[in-house]
Amino acid sequence: DQQVKQNSPSLSVQEGRISILNCDYTNSMFDYFLWYKKYPAEGPTFLISISSIKDKNEDGRFTVFLNKSAKHLSLHIVPSQPGDSAVYFCAAPGGGSNYKLTFGKGTLLTVNP
Amino acid sequence: NAGVMQNPRHLVRRRGQEARLRCSPMKGHSHVYWYRQLPEEGLKFMVYLQKENIIDESGMPKERFSAEFPKEGPSILRIQQVVRGDSAAYFCASSPDESSYNEQFFGPGTRLTVL
Repeated sequence: DQQVKQNSPSLSVQEGRISILNCDYTNSMFDYFLWYKKYPAEGPTFLISISSIKDKNEDGRFTVFLNKSAKHLSLHIVPSQPGDSAVYFCAAPGGGSNYKLTFGKGTLLTVNP
Repeated sequence: NAGVMQNPRHLVRRRGQEARLRCSPMKGHSHVYWYRQLPEEGLKFMVYLQKENIIDESGMPKERFSAEFPKEGPSILRIQQVVRGDSAAYFCASSPDESSYNEQFFGPGTRLTVL
């Protein structure tokens, strides 16, 4: 049972444009969400998070939006840069814990110069 | 301040052999988590350890897999009698405590290939 879903395996955008990565979840008990970025041959690094009491969190070029009624969140990167090319994972702590992260399958973002 | 260290980075084993994966957490971190990423999948939680204690092993396969985090030295994930289905990337993460959602720092992973 895949509780966190990223339905787009890949996304390609032009440098300077907006990148929008999407994530859906099925577990209504999730109350915190995280986005991780992963370069090849490296581990995931934390990017940005959002609590379920908010619908938006912004950090520089990165903004995460949460729509609880639709069980959907999205990560916006604007403007996109070639260095943003990586795999992006959506994750949520679950199983009654705040450490057991459930990850989506990831979306490979390619930003073309 | 070194990050989370994992070794080896790549490990090749034949079916039936044992695999030992090591993880040294960041300095000052006493909580270690292991995750497995199968091909085309997201990372999946396996086990959470503190020094000398297994806190949560709900994601570990019941057989052949074990983990420890001794008082001295790195955390070890041990897979006995490996099978081809064990081929995956194994990531270790550490945190200073378990109270903050976003304070799991990941290592670069060990890519295990079973021939």
